[in-house]
Amino acid sequence: DTAVSQTPKYLVTQMGNDKSIKCEQNLGHDTMYWYKQDSKKFLKIMFSYNNKELIINETVPNRFSPKSPDKAHLNLHINSLELGDSAVYFCASSPLTKVTEAFFGQGTRLTVV
Amino acid sequence: SQQGEEDPQALSIQEGENATMNCSYKTSINNLQWYRQNSGRGLVHLILIRSNEREKHSGRLRVTLDTSKKSSSLLITASRAADTASYFCAPQTSGSRLTFGEGTQLTVNP
Repeated sequence: DTAVSQTPKYLVTQMGNDKSIKCEQNLGHDTMYWYKQDSKKFLKIMFSYNNKELIINETVPNRFSPKSPDKAHLNLHINSLELGDSAVYFCASSPLTKVTEAFFGQGTRLTVV
Repeated sequence: SQQGEEDPQALSIQEGENATMNCSYKTSINNLQWYRQNSGRGLVHLILIRSNEREKHSGRLRVTLDTSKKSSSLLITASRAADTASYFCAPQTSGSRLTFGEGTQLTVNP
């Protein structure tokens, strides 16, 4: 049973396209996140949702729009893809407590050509 | 939020040796967590140490926390080739947001 699952695992697309990455967690967690990991392995938080509501929106271009249809899902839609968007995107979830661990998905490697 | 800074950036050891990685942070924390990332995979939680704890063990892992120096260390004893991975620390100040640095890339040579 996969706790946090992302699809697709790999995504290759051309500049200017619009794409979505889906994330689902079956842990019953209230909080979900999107992280971006660049080629230097630096993990940067992009968004955080708590019970379908946006609570963190770091400095991310507005071409990135998260959508949470319910608390088990947090999808990431990216418009007008650019070369610099190439990275690995990770979804994660955690319970709504102050001291807790996060559970990560396997990542989506996005390559923009 | 704040991120931890892991040191060294890369570490290469022989199987059976111990590996020590360090993490420094800037402000007061509620807890600090260590995660492992195998190549091409997501992060996996290893251990959490609270601000009022000084040391914690989990199997071959030993974590220390020195809040006066704002630093933590992760010791892996009797390393194995399967321990090859990137290791990240995540100091947590409030809420549930976790921020990470660039990690320490550990290579354990058989």
